[in-house]
This record gives sequence, C-alpha cells and structure tokens, in this order.
Amino acid sequence: KQEVTQIPAALSVPEGENLVLNCSFTDSAIYNLQWFRQDPGKGLTSLLLIQSSQREQTSGRLNASLDKSSGRSTLYIAASQPGDSATYLCAVSYSGAGSYQLTFGKGTKLSVIP
Amino acid sequence: NAGVTQTPKFQVLKTGQSMTLQCAQDMNHEYMSWYRQDPGMGLRLIHYSVGAGITDQGEVPNGYNVSRSTTEDFPLRLLSAAPSQTSVYFCASSYSRQKGAKNIQYFGAGTRLSVL
Repeated sequence: KQEVTQIPAALSVPEGENLVLNCSFTDSAIYNLQWFRQDPGKGLTSLLLIQSSQREQTSGRLNASLDKSSGRSTLYIAASQPGDSATYLCAVSYSGAGSYQLTFGKGTKLSVIP
Repeated sequence: NAGVTQTPKFQVLKTGQSMTLQCAQDMNHEYMSWYRQDPGMGLRLIHYSVGAGITDQGEVPNGYNVSRSTTEDFPLRLLSAAPSQTSVYFCASSYSRQKGAKNIQYFGAGTRLSVL
C-alpha cells in the first residue's frame, strides 16, 4: 500500500525566509504528484502538479521537484510571506488504468511570522 | 464557473439518521470523488466515479453509498449515521486521464458533519 509522509508536521519561520517542505512516498510507480494548500476551515487548492516524467514545476514563488527513484518531492517557497501561512498537503496518484485515487500525506502546517 | 459546490456546509445528525451530502460541478469533469478528512488520518478516499453511471469504492467505503446519474452531480448518502462518521467531507473533480489532461483535482469547500 502506498504511504505518503510529510516532514515536518509543523514549521514556523520569520517572514522573508526561504523554506522547503518535504514529501516522501513508498511506491515509485506514480502517475503524478500534486501539492495542495489548505487554509483553516476551507477546501484544498491545487498549487502545482508534477507528472511522473517531469523533474520540477514552478509557479511564482513556488517550485516543486520530483525524484521518483528516491520517492521524494520538495516544495520550495521563496521569500515567505504571512499570507503563505496554511497547511500544505502532498498527494500522489497511481499509474494503471482506472486508478484515480489520490493518496495524501498528513500535511505540514506552516506559520510565517511577520 | 462556480467550480465544485458542496451543500450543506455544516450538519449535525443523531445516530441512525440518514442524509445526503450534495456535490455539483460545472466544469464538465468526468471524474468525481469523495474524501473524508480526520485529525491525524489525513484525507481518505470514500468513493469515486469516472463518468455518469459508473462508480467504484475507495479506501473507506463502508457506511456510504453513491450514484452518478448526471455528469454534474455526485451525491454521497449516509443511510444510518454513526459517530465514527463525524468528519469533514470533501468532494473533488477533474478531467479524466483519457483526455490527456493533467488530472488536476479541484476540491469543494467541504461539509462538516457531526454525528451525536
């Protein structure tokens, strides 16, 4: 069974700092990997999606990398801002016909201190 | 586009009561799914559908029923609510992989359910 682990569970940084969130998965036969943001009491917003054939994706101050062979992904946030405070979730989907389900990590709760 | 809309936002039930959580999307997505989110457990897939008339079970299907009569709607039914079903429920949708789409999933705002 695929397992997704996110470390650390919580992170507090001062505003302006660059930071890295980590995600690891046990089965490298993934279709893609997504990073989501969840604000308290709200739904999930997709930030970046990396296909299994890609190494990284960038959107603004966010950069996500994927290393399938080692079962790892990182989300890099540059010049953090208080508005980045949220829980960040990593999720993988399997390869194979009909396999659409996402397997989620438990998330990293980020607090950016002004 | 409204995206993925879930109703109600909050619900309190007594043990044994039944109810339907509604989910609708206006993006013409083929794939829809239901997840539950519990503290310390992360999000877990309950049921999913790859198109109208087609549904399948996810990781935690017991106690829940689904049907997909239209592309837009994917309701989740609790036939006899139990305290263990207290959770936050999220509906998600995306294009199917057969279209070559990236399979980005869009989530609703969630339904917070308490079963007493």
